[in-house]
Amino acid sequence: GENVEQHPSTLSVQEGDSAVIKCTYSDSASNYFPWYKQELGKGPQLIIDIRSNVGEKKDQRIAVTLNKTAKHFSLHITETQPEDSAVYFCAARLYNFNKFYFGSGTKLNVKP
Amino acid sequence: GAVVSQHPSWVICKSGTSVKIECRSLDFQATTMFWYRQFPKQSLMLMATSNEGSKATYEQGVEKDKFLINHASLTLSTLTVTSAHPEDSSFYICSASESGNTGPHFGDGTRLSIL
Repeated sequence: GENVEQHPSTLSVQEGDSAVIKCTYSDSASNYFPWYKQELGKGPQLIIDIRSNVGEKKDQRIAVTLNKTAKHFSLHITETQPEDSAVYFCAARLYNFNKFYFGSGTKLNVKP
Repeated sequence: GAVVSQHPSWVICKSGTSVKIECRSLDFQATTMFWYRQFPKQSLMLMATSNEGSKATYEQGVEKDKFLINHASLTLSTLTVTSAHPEDSSFYICSASESGNTGPHFGDGTRLSIL
């Protein structure tokens, strides 16, 4: 199966700074990579995703990059705000399978 | 956008009780739903894949007689924790995909506390 590793486990930044979370995956057959934000006591919320035929995708202050050769993908948050504080999970899906493998999560703390 | 509703959000019950959790896709049909368990400060652990009209597929180490899954329609899957004990206390979350090409949407989870 697929193995997804995520770093760092915790990240503290000053409001307005950028935050980067990195994930690696093991199976080159993975072709879809969503990112989730989970606030305390709630379920994860899909915030952005990227497919294997694209190298970068941006949506306002968040962006995701994918390096298929190195099998890693990253989440970039610019101009961070206190409301960005949450736990972020990356995930990978194997091609043709409807099962997602999740990273261990990154707790992001944005200090005002 | 797609919404997944999970109910109840919080359950407290005595040891030995069976608890049913519902997961509904509100504006789309989901032939497949997933059930996860999440311990504090940890990632999501996939328990089982719920398939409409057929038996659920359980992950290794998950007792299918303990965690009964029923996916009776394209918009509803239920997880029943049978004869729950304190070690079953956890945060249970369901998810469903609107199509096979997008990431799953999650419910808001059910916090289960067994006394």
